[in-house]
Amino acid sequence: NAGVMQNPRHLVRRRGQEARLRCSPMKGHSHVYWYRQLPEEGLKFMVYLQKENIIDESGMPKERFSAEFPKEGPSILRIQQVVRGDSAAYFCASSPQGRNTEAFFGQGTRLTVV
Amino acid sequence: GNSVTQMEGPVTLSEEAFLTINCTYTATGYPSLFWYVQYPGEGLQLLLKATKADDKGSNKGFEATYRKETTSFHLEKGSVQVSDSAVYFCALSMDSNYQLIWGAGTKLIIKP
Repeated sequence: NAGVMQNPRHLVRRRGQEARLRCSPMKGHSHVYWYRQLPEEGLKFMVYLQKENIIDESGMPKERFSAEFPKEGPSILRIQQVVRGDSAAYFCASSPQGRNTEAFFGQGTRLTVV
Repeated sequence: GNSVTQMEGPVTLSEEAFLTINCTYTATGYPSLFWYVQYPGEGLQLLLKATKADDKGSNKGFEATYRKETTSFHLEKGSVQVSDSAVYFCALSMDSNYQLIWGAGTKLIIKP
């Protein structure tokens, strides 16, 4: 059973471009969480999704950021018109139930905006 | 609001030394508490957890006890190895909320 798979591992974007981060949850997991880790800081919750539904996006910036988890395929975190402040590590976690006590994390995508 | 505070790093120790990484929390209610570890270049792995007061979580020689009276969940290991070098995160989760709330992380460096 493969773990949570995130790709790409590293992503470099110029200011103003779009960044698309992908997360394939563990088999049998229908709950996905995205976190952002800024340099020298802990992780901050961004969004919680179930298949085809956004359950809680209270941690998402109001503009430029969006997330989806379609019926088929991976969850996508999309950042439009990236700025230098978006440079961070983005982690995805998945769980079989809607409780973080059983969340498994991917290796993260490190986004660098130049 | 709910929060987690960890001791600042880096913490540098010699191999076989005793390790303590302090973690205290603020929460309205009774959280579950976790320690995660992030090895260089890798993702986060759950190290141990405790879901109620006085519970002790343990794994790979690491231990932490949920202390309600001091709102603490300090991580300890009796004899560290070079392979324990990593960043350690303390986190909490409220039963009523699925979000994990994280400390800033403590970098641990073990020298041979």
